[in-house]
Amino acid sequence: NAGVTQTPKFRVLKTGQSMTLLCAQDMNHEYMYWYRQDPGMGLRLIHYSVGEGTTAKGEVPDGYNVSRLKKQNFLLGLESAAPSQTSVYFCASSYAQVEAFFGQGTRLTVV
Amino acid sequence: KNEVEQSPQNLTAQEGEFITINCSYSVGISALHWLQQHPGGGIVSLFMLSSGKKKHGRLIATINIQEKHSSLHITASHPRDSAVYICAVMYSGGGADGLTFGKGTHLIIQP
Repeated sequence: NAGVTQTPKFRVLKTGQSMTLLCAQDMNHEYMYWYRQDPGMGLRLIHYSVGEGTTAKGEVPDGYNVSRLKKQNFLLGLESAAPSQTSVYFCASSYAQVEAFFGQGTRLTVV
Repeated sequence: KNEVEQSPQNLTAQEGEFITINCSYSVGISALHWLQQHPGGGIVSLFMLSSGKKKHGRLIATINIQEKHSSLHITASHPRDSAVYICAVMYSGGGADGLTFGKGTHLIIQP
């Protein structure tokens, strides 16, 4: 039982490049979330999903897109990376919005 | 969104000391989480509370629903307890958009 797995763990992008972060969970959770963590701030919600095929915007969605084609996977895409998107990204999943399980994080640097 | 306030922001203590970290929130919640994040590491859920008190090893979490306040206590602190401790709440009647996070408390336990 791996829990929540994020790939990659580290990435450096040039401004304007695109990339996709993958989050996979093996707990059959309906709810999945993408957060970003920046110094001096609490985690902020980017996008979330309440089930396969559904996504919704969170607090800071601009510059990001997501997809949930399979229940176990939640993808976060950056179409044209900007230095302001340098951050640590965390994926989380939960069952009925009760327990929260987090991935190990992806440290992204945009230069 | 409603705020989650943690105090102190930073705490340095000597090994063996009793540690208290506080969390306050502004409106009704359905659950409160205490999370732990080691430097460069992922986020681990320590406790989820909706009332009363929970204990796990040297960690104790309490919540006072009427006062909208929770505390995390560490007894007989150890250098391996050095981490960021994050309080997060699930607001009552909120949507499916997950947790609201405090900014975290940076704890350093010196040997």
